[in-house]
Amino acid sequence: QSALTQPASVSGSPGQSITISCTGTSSDVGGYNYVSWYQHHPGKAPKVLIYDVSYRPSGVSNRFSGSKSGNTASLTISGLQAEDEADYYCSSYTSISTRVFGGGTKLTVL
Amino acid sequence: QVQLEESGGGVVQPGRSLRLSCTASGFTFSSYGMHWVRQAPGKGLEWVAIIWYDGFNKYYTNSVKGRFTVSRDNSKNTLYLQMNSLRADDTAVYYCARGMYSFDYWGQGTLVTVSS
Repeated sequence: QSALTQPASVSGSPGQSITISCTGTSSDVGGYNYVSWYQHHPGKAPKVLIYDVSYRPSGVSNRFSGSKSGNTASLTISGLQAEDEADYYCSSYTSISTRVFGGGTKLTVL
Repeated sequence: QVQLEESGGGVVQPGRSLRLSCTASGFTFSSYGMHWVRQAPGKGLEWVAIIWYDGFNKYYTNSVKGRFTVSRDNSKNTLYLQMNSLRADDTAVYYCARGMYSFDYWGQGTLVTVSS
């Protein structure tokens, strides 16, 4: 049950696009289309941005998009805004019916 | 609207027990799987446990197996986490979250501090 691998930090200027990667194995990310992404502002409840690799819940901006290739999933945020500055986590279903999170990525909007 | 509210956190000595509760409202609780997720100070999110909608299937992360038990009372719209043999590294904010393969609603969390 090792955590999925995410970059510790990413940064971008307002209006730019950034991509956060999430690497697992064939027993989690690569084996199932059950990758989800969360935005977490400290002190608040996490918010789901993407589920089932690429689906956006109603109410989530279309600036957020998800994809997957092999054992790596990705979250892309386009048109960066100041309020996007937060921690981002990926999560996946696993072959032993557990769930696993990535280590988290701190996004800084310059 | 969907609401999840955790309670039961506090300061507890190592080796002791604590039971967390998560009260749900705004949806048909008995139709959804529920999770516990925690975040230790300065660390990332860690998945802890899931219980299926009917309470028959439960799964845990390795570090809590044999010490923590997840349960639910669908008649009371409440999720529980019984935590025994607590250790210092169980110190965290504990969130309950709704869902099966993703977590679509979260509570605000309750802080558990394990310290002598």
